[in-house]
Amino acid sequence: SQQGEEDPQALSIQEGENATMNCSYKTSINNLQWYRQNSGRGLVHLILIRSNEREKHSGRLRVTLDTSKKSSSLLITASRAADTASYFCATGGGYNKLIFGAGTRLAVHP
Amino acid sequence: DARVTQTPRHKVTEMGQEVTMRCQPILGHNTVFWYRQTMMQGLELLAYFRNRAPLDDSGMPKDRFSAEMPDATLATLKIQPSEPRDSAVYFCASGLVSTRDGEQYFGPGTRLTVT
Repeated sequence: SQQGEEDPQALSIQEGENATMNCSYKTSINNLQWYRQNSGRGLVHLILIRSNEREKHSGRLRVTLDTSKKSSSLLITASRAADTASYFCATGGGYNKLIFGAGTRLAVHP
Repeated sequence: DARVTQTPRHKVTEMGQEVTMRCQPILGHNTVFWYRQTMMQGLELLAYFRNRAPLDDSGMPKDRFSAEMPDATLATLKIQPSEPRDSAVYFCASGLVSTRDGEQYFGPGTRLTVT
């Protein structure tokens, strides 16, 4: 069963534009993480935000967390063709067990 | 450059055959996870180990799947007998457990096709 649900399921933008993906979850969490998966590859960890944090930045990535609404968003600024991938949110509970959402497929066109 | 490795990368087998997938976690990591990814179900957690002990394998069909860690450098996932519905990409991930946080490092996956 999936804890997180990403929205939208697919997103298509032009290079240089910003991409925003949202994630909603159901139960209380210790942290929320975002991962990227390029086609045919394993997942790569992007960023982790703890339950007591509201916003976090890493390079062109900005993540927000609203625990009252049980939601998070991932913003990729100034997107590049190389950002084309699927993006997953994952909620962390005890013993580092993660539950992944269904993912957002992002296509960035040159 | 520390990475999780998985073998084989691709496996095609006939229904009823035994399949064994292997994973070498990153040296020093004490938690290992097995996931299965399909288009229909997405990414599902099958089992995970901490310090080689199984913590949770509730996501795994017990009648045909088994997961073990013979030593700290090797994790195995076995399917016996395999069925066409087992066709998926199987990922291994490792991490270093802490009380609250824990990013996971994924291997490249084993793409399994059961005919």
